[in-house]
Amino acid sequence: EAQVTQNPRYLITVTGKKLTVTCSQNMNHEYMSWYRQDPGLGLRQIYYSMNVEVTDKGDVPEGYKVSRKEKRNFPLILESPSPNQTSLYFCASSLSSYYTEAFFGQGTRLTVV
Amino acid sequence: DQQVKQNSPSLSVQEGRISILNCDYTNSMFDYFLWYKKYPAEGPTFLISISSIKDKNEDGRFTVFLNKSAKHLSLHIVPSQPGDSAVYFCVIGSQGNLIFGKGTKLSVKP
Repeated sequence: EAQVTQNPRYLITVTGKKLTVTCSQNMNHEYMSWYRQDPGLGLRQIYYSMNVEVTDKGDVPEGYKVSRKEKRNFPLILESPSPNQTSLYFCASSLSSYYTEAFFGQGTRLTVV
Repeated sequence: DQQVKQNSPSLSVQEGRISILNCDYTNSMFDYFLWYKKYPAEGPTFLISISSIKDKNEDGRFTVFLNKSAKHLSLHIVPSQPGDSAVYFCVIGSQGNLIFGKGTKLSVKP
């Protein structure tokens, strides 16, 4: 089954404690990205990757890092989480950057206290 | 400034009737438009798309209309079903980045 898998689904953490949200896709997609969804704001892109070892900032990259060492995995790293990063996070993948019909993971609800 | 505007946060429709969800965008250079549907506790799922060379695309009960001169697109669902109740996002596809509107919550009442 084609899917994008995020882990964990739910996470409560404290300010400043580094965390990683994992994302994996099994469709051999080149393009992967991270979004956050906040009430009244829709989804906003954090970072994207057009292929292995190629990453770039999206619209709201501050406070986040990513890496793309393998095609299937695209982890999101919060080095020092802060309460304003409390949000619902989605990972997405698509065949390429020119094929914009993306598959989304189920989301990770992060709370930073 | 918002590049994609969905001015109706919510819409309630009777089962069997037509649902019309509207969306306006600001940049006339955008050339690929999508609608995504999202149920609670799930990620968005692709519904239907249209490129700027067309003004209509139909897929079963779902039809998207594009009016380039007005920078407006709409999604029609006919007939609406209770299972269509979800949040619908108007999305611009731009070099792989998906620019989302804020969404319209559709409620289809039996």
